[in-house]
Amino acid sequence: GAVVSQHPSRVICKSGTSVKIECRSLDFQATTMFWYRQFPKQSLMLMATSNEGSKATYEQGVEKDKFLINHASLTLSTLTVTSAHPEDSSFYICSARPSGQGLSNQPQHFGDGTRLSIL
Amino acid sequence: AQSVAQPEDQVNVAEGNPLTVKCTYSVSGNPYLFWYVQYPNRGLQFLLKYITGDNLVKGSYGFEAEFNKSQTSFHLKKPSALVSDSALYFCAVRAQRTDSWGKFQFGAGTQVVVTP
Repeated sequence: GAVVSQHPSRVICKSGTSVKIECRSLDFQATTMFWYRQFPKQSLMLMATSNEGSKATYEQGVEKDKFLINHASLTLSTLTVTSAHPEDSSFYICSARPSGQGLSNQPQHFGDGTRLSIL
Repeated sequence: AQSVAQPEDQVNVAEGNPLTVKCTYSVSGNPYLFWYVQYPNRGLQFLLKYITGDNLVKGSYGFEAEFNKSQTSFHLKKPSALVSDSALYFCAVRAQRTDSWGKFQFGAGTQVVVTP
């Protein structure tokens, strides 16, 4: 149980392209999902918290107009990297926490990540 | 504020030997603590958590962790390491009383290398 599907797993595209990444909770509902960015051999950097039916909460230094987040349902959040440039190349990972249970003590469940390469 | 420290960038161990990955934390109040493992080009897999109760927590794949409140530590252990345990390990913490979103603070990660 508690499977999170992230798609696509890898994207290679030209500079200036917008890229959409999907994060789905397959067997549970998630009011809250998280988007992370990870550089090689480094920890996860939280970009934003995605909340179903409301605006995402962005971490300091993350451009909300660059990284558009939409959480339209209890099982789907999307991250769109707009007008991507080579410096946006990274590994992006989403996670989801089951809703309807105690908020605090549940683990986050992670997708398998998206490797984004901008040429 | 909450923070996590994983003091070792890498841990090397021979197969069959005990494995320990260290983690210390700082939070206001009582913590919820988690360990995750990451294989190359994959997301994080949940291993175990400490919420309350027994200080020794058992998790997946033979891993366990011991919560030590006085030392603010939550070290991950495995009695006999396997080559397949080679991966990147992350400790995470959140305070029991915090924002409603449940954000985690992750450590920097420890690369475990198990040699045959």
